Amino acid sequence: AQTVTQSQPEMSVQEAETVTLSCTYDTSESDYYLFWYKQPPSRQMILVIRQEAYKQQNATENRFSVNFQKAAKSFSLKISDSQLGDAAMYFCACTSGTYKYIFGTGTRLKVLA
Amino acid sequence: NAGVTQTPKFQVLKTGQSMTLQCAQDMNHEYMSWYRQDPGMGLRLIHYSVGAGITDQGEVPNGYNVSRSTTEDFPLRLLSAAPSQTSVYFCASRALLAGGPHEQYFGPGTRLTVT
Repeated sequence: AQTVTQSQPEMSVQEAETVTLSCTYDTSESDYYLFWYKQPPSRQMILVIRQEAYKQQNATENRFSVNFQKAAKSFSLKISDSQLGDAAMYFCACTSGTYKYIFGTGTRLKVLA
Repeated sequence: NAGVTQTPKFQVLKTGQSMTLQCAQDMNHEYMSWYRQDPGMGLRLIHYSVGAGITDQGEVPNGYNVSRSTTEDFPLRLLSAAPSQTSVYFCASRALLAGGPHEQYFGPGTRLTVT
């Protein structure tokens, strides 16, 4: 069975600084996909970044990048130049070919002005 | 495109009442799913569908029914609401394409309270 663990219930970062959110996962599948979703107070789930397990290169999307360590089953999200609008819940998720997505319990990010 | 829409946005039910949460998508996605979100537990999969007429159970299916008569719609039925079903419900969809992308697109959610 797949599991996704986010061990940081809450994190804080000063505006303009960098923060890293942790995620570890476990799957027996060789082909899988990893995601970070952002949930602001509006409740809408927004895709931040995705990573295909077969790709060695870490995904980046503007200020967001991941550190994908396949052997360690780690998938952390780095947010650079943090902005007030980055304050939200962040969920890590994993899916393989079984159509089932497993989400972590989330990390609440606070951005301090 | 409206994307994924859900109605209602808020609902209060009494224990034992039934209701249907509506979900529709206009992206012609084959895959649709329902999640519930509870504090400290992330999102948990209730049911999913990979096409019209095909549904399957997720992690927490008890107390919920689904059907998929069209590609666009995937309603979630609560047959006899219980306080344990108080939660925020999300519908999501994605295309089923070989090689991906595999990310889901989410609706705005329904906050359900059962008293």
